[in-house]
Amino acid sequence: AQKITQTQPGMFVQEKEAVTLDCTYDTSDPSYGLFWYKQPSSGEMIFLIYQGSYDQQNATEGRYSLNFQKARKSANLVISASQLGDSAMYFCAMREVNFNKFYFGSGTKLNVKP
Amino acid sequence: GAVVSQHPSRVICKSGTSVKIECRSLDFQATTMFWYRQFPKQSLMLMATSNEGSKATYEQGVEKDKFLINHASLTLSTLTVTSAHPEDSSFYICSASSDRDGYTFGSGTRLTVV
Repeated sequence: AQKITQTQPGMFVQEKEAVTLDCTYDTSDPSYGLFWYKQPSSGEMIFLIYQGSYDQQNATEGRYSLNFQKARKSANLVISASQLGDSAMYFCAMREVNFNKFYFGSGTKLNVKP
Repeated sequence: GAVVSQHPSRVICKSGTSVKIECRSLDFQATTMFWYRQFPKQSLMLMATSNEGSKATYEQGVEKDKFLINHASLTLSTLTVTSAHPEDSSFYICSASSDRDGYTFGSGTRLTVV
């Protein structure tokens, strides 16, 4: 079974609008962390936001927020007020703390239209 | 914030030669480092997990003798691609962990074997 599933290979959003990138995960480790990374064409991985499995509140970092629904095992990324510079690949990732494993989803390519 | 330096950023080598890629944590001690491989337009594939002072744990299907990983200190891990062949051409990226939640990625190395 896939550990991290991103069902949207590509997304388009109009500049200044909000967009949600989907991510579901599967783990038996009760302690885990969920991450979102942005990868521009240069290849570097840019950390965006983190959510711990025991965190009660949804994480927020500036224009990024993580919609964490533990029972559904989903961790969707919401980007508000999209900017042209947000065009990139976005990866959802999960760390299983007890198993010391780190997994990435297949990614979503976001294109922001002017 | 935490910084991970990875170099070289690009390397071209002849088939049959070996290439070493370095990953350094600049301002923190990395107890665990991860090495990934990324094919064009695909996700990151975890190759191995290295813990300082012990042998690396390789993922299934990754050749240990071909991809040598050394994590001799808390600030340095190296990946050596031995007897490189054109099919080893890829983007290699490392990440370092200093604690339960913190992960920082290097900027990646684009390897081309000719």
